[in-house]
Amino acid sequence: QTVVTQEPSLTVSPGGTATLTCASSTGAVTSGHYPNWFQQSPGQAPRALIYSTNKKYSWTPARFSASLLGGKAALTLSGVQPEDEAEYYCLLYYGAVGVFGGGTKLTVL
Amino acid sequence: QVQLQESGPGLVKPSQTLSLTCAVSGGSISSGNYYWTWIRQPAGKGLEWIGRLHISENPNYNPSLKSRVTISTDTSKNQFSLKLTSVTAADTAVYYCTSLGAFASWGLGTLVTVSS
Repeated sequence: QTVVTQEPSLTVSPGGTATLTCASSTGAVTSGHYPNWFQQSPGQAPRALIYSTNKKYSWTPARFSASLLGGKAALTLSGVQPEDEAEYYCLLYYGAVGVFGGGTKLTVL
Repeated sequence: QVQLQESGPGLVKPSQTLSLTCAVSGGSISSGNYYWTWIRQPAGKGLEWIGRLHISENPNYNPSLKSRVTISTDTSKNQFSLKLTSVTAADTAVYYCTSLGAFASWGLGTLVTVSS
């Protein structure tokens, strides 16, 4: 069974930079996994931030960026704001089947 | 951006079939732009990809659920649906209908509890 792994938690100071990663048990993450990133605040539905590795939506704040880094998918938040405190999930595709990572709880402190 | 709204019973008995519908507005269910996807989230846990349907492809399912899941569309009502058979307490979760990829949208989610 394919496992997608994220850091369980990260803490960042306001104005700082946070990099969240997403690893695959099958090997290096590539653009062929079409990495997606989602943000979920408590009590709310998730919100899509990134698709196809690094493509943003019209509503994705400019401080969010994504890439492939060291064999993993990565989401970078530059100039972190208090409202960025949330759970972040990555989604990878293996062929036509999607697998979510376990999520990273980002604390802004 | 399409708007999505889940509907269906909030309580299902064990061994029965969970049936949910997602109404699509602001776009056509028949459009090739969308991968209609169901995702669920047990309370306090992470997201689980259930499966997806594109209008011109066969549906794709999570291998762990594949024997129990069916996702289909109703073009006359502009909606898509989820059926999950032989449910147990482990299927209790908030169920989201979504479109993912370039044209992403999420429903608000609907809680389904499996209990007698």
